Amino acid sequence: SQQGEEDPQALSIQEGENATMNCSYKTSINNLQWYRQNSGRGLVHLILIRSNEREKHSGRLRVTLDTSKKSSSLLITASRAADTASYFCATDTVAGNKLTFGGGTRVLVKP
Amino acid sequence: KAGVTQTPRYLIKTRGQQVTLSCSPISGHRSVSWYQQTPGQGLQFLFEYFSETQRNKGNFPGRFSGRQFSNSRSEMNVSTLELGDSALYLCASSLGAMSRSPLHFGNGTRLTVT
Repeated sequence: SQQGEEDPQALSIQEGENATMNCSYKTSINNLQWYRQNSGRGLVHLILIRSNEREKHSGRLRVTLDTSKKSSSLLITASRAADTASYFCATDTVAGNKLTFGGGTRVLVKP
Repeated sequence: KAGVTQTPRYLIKTRGQQVTLSCSPISGHRSVSWYQQTPGQGLQFLFEYFSETQRNKGNFPGRFSGRQFSNSRSEMNVSTLELGDSALYLCASSLGAMSRSPLHFGNGTRLTVT
């Protein structure tokens, strides 16, 4: 199975609601990154959080990292229809020297 | 600054043929990495090039190869195409090593093998 696995696989919410997705990983990391992908296009970098950080914010995005539980969460507040996309976590493992992506969470924000 | 450019955008090939995909990174970025994205396997790492040297390689057969030129542009080649090679191939560039820096992705080349 993959190093990073997102939960849930899919999420449907109303505009204005918050969306939370989680990422669990197996081995120690240097950093964890979150990306967004709109249908059929490339990924867009959202946030990079290092292993010694616990929380980072960027606009309506909030990322937390719990290295003891090997998990991270991405919160999108006050969601908009334009937030409809797939969201991926990616981990830079201590041993790997490469970025490994999880399977993604598909988010649908209904107007 | 111009973003990462991948050409062509779409490609249709027949089994057994070979294909070359091209990627122009953001100016100043020295690392270029390649990913294959399929509905079944998700995003799979192919390889990373940094200053014309392959730094890391994923678990793909030798039919998949790449190179990077002195201007950091990169090409990926797949020989003896199989139906299972149909996928979206994504290229990403970064200032530093791919795993330590945010990746900037192109919009990909969608390859269909018939």
